Amino acid sequence: DGGITQSPKYLFRKEGQNVTLSCEQNLNHDAMYWYRQDPGQGLRLIYYSQIVNDFQKGDIAEGYSVSREKKESFPLTVTSAQKNPTAFYLCASRTGAGSGNTIYFGEGSWLTVV
Amino acid sequence: AQKVTQAQTEISVVEKEDVTLDCVYETRDTTYYLFWYKQPPSGELVFLIRRNSFDEQNEISGRYSWNFQKSTSSFNFTITASQVVDSAVYFCALTPYSGAGSYQLTFGKGTKLSVIP
Repeated sequence: DGGITQSPKYLFRKEGQNVTLSCEQNLNHDAMYWYRQDPGQGLRLIYYSQIVNDFQKGDIAEGYSVSREKKESFPLTVTSAQKNPTAFYLCASRTGAGSGNTIYFGEGSWLTVV
Repeated sequence: AQKVTQAQTEISVVEKEDVTLDCVYETRDTTYYLFWYKQPPSGELVFLIRRNSFDEQNEISGRYSWNFQKSTSSFNFTITASQVVDSAVYFCALTPYSGAGSYQLTFGKGTKLSVIP
């Protein structure tokens, strides 16, 4: 089945640790995104990548890092510099112009700092 | 700057009632896309519809319908004969259309819909 797979679904992090959230897509989409969602809030953009080996900061990139070594993969690392990392993280990818530049999301990952 | 406002934080309806979710947006772009997504309790955002700013035709899909009015910068979503499975948080979102642009979505804060059996 085609889709966007995020793992793990639930992750607990101790303060001071870095953690990496995985995002894989087999939709052959060029563009991929990471969003953060806090309770009662809309989604905010962390990073995005429009092509392999290129990525740009979004609105709340501080304390996060990404890589885009393969078209299918866009992992997000939450570093110890992120002061309030407990949130729901959503990965997304976008179709091309021929399909209306529509953005589809994965199932999300819950990160909790303990 | 872009902004999406969903003024209704929470709505409760009894099953089979119709319900409209409001979305008002602000943008300086002349061409843009508008989206609605559904977020059930499981967390995944499910794509419902995309509307181009140059296409003001209303759309109906089963029990769902969307009313896009450029003159009032609104893109409202109506569920007819609501069902318990419609209970979710619904997000309206906006992105400029810019050819090779990044298509970053600006989201509203969402409306939580509860359908009571």
